[in-house]
Amino acid sequence: GAVVSQHPSRVICKSGTSVKIECRSLDFQATTMFWYRQFPKQSLMLMATSNEGSKATYEQGVEKDKFLINHASLTLSTLTVTSAHPEDSSFYICSARVHTSGSISYEQYFGPGTRLTVT
Amino acid sequence: AQRVTQPEKLLSVFKGAPVELKCNYSYSGSPELFWYVQYSRQRLQLLLRHISRESIKGFTADLNKGETSFHLKKPFAQEEDSAMYYCALKVQGAQKLVFGQGTRLTINP
Repeated sequence: GAVVSQHPSRVICKSGTSVKIECRSLDFQATTMFWYRQFPKQSLMLMATSNEGSKATYEQGVEKDKFLINHASLTLSTLTVTSAHPEDSSFYICSARVHTSGSISYEQYFGPGTRLTVT
Repeated sequence: AQRVTQPEKLLSVFKGAPVELKCNYSYSGSPELFWYVQYSRQRLQLLLRHISRESIKGFTADLNKGETSFHLKKPFAQEEDSAMYYCALKVQGAQKLVFGQGTRLTINP
């Protein structure tokens, strides 16, 4: 099946710094990627939908200037947490939608997630 | 707004017993429903979708539009079924999925 990778898997940064998380589709082209945030023992919260070559669509309550998303190619989307604070510490997960020509099937493939800790 | 409700945060059953994970949704249009599973230390992965009407790992789920439900069932639970299960909804014309809160299923030996 389609594989989505994330890098790094874990990152620790100091308060006030920025950190970039990469999401790659390894063996397919992903015109649409999604970024989620998952708090401990809670569900996934969609942060934004990222479309290749256009601006990301953010969910209500998500600060677009704080969580910068770039989807510059069909295999790479990045999430940059700017001026990170301890409350930004979380598990960030990306997923990619597989587009199959002529298929009505819809599926998202998920990355393994990135654990961000802001000290 | 569309919503997915999984009323049980935790569910524990014995091996060999039937298991049912409940999922209800609110959406007035024609939904696409999915079940995703996350095993310990693994990524989220698709278990099944209602369109396919398939049985995966012994699990089935039937979309009941009258009751707006998409419950996940398995007649005989196995220890390897222990995982976090998420029900998800896709609405027509949208790209995103709306996830429920998840149910942690534990199968006791």
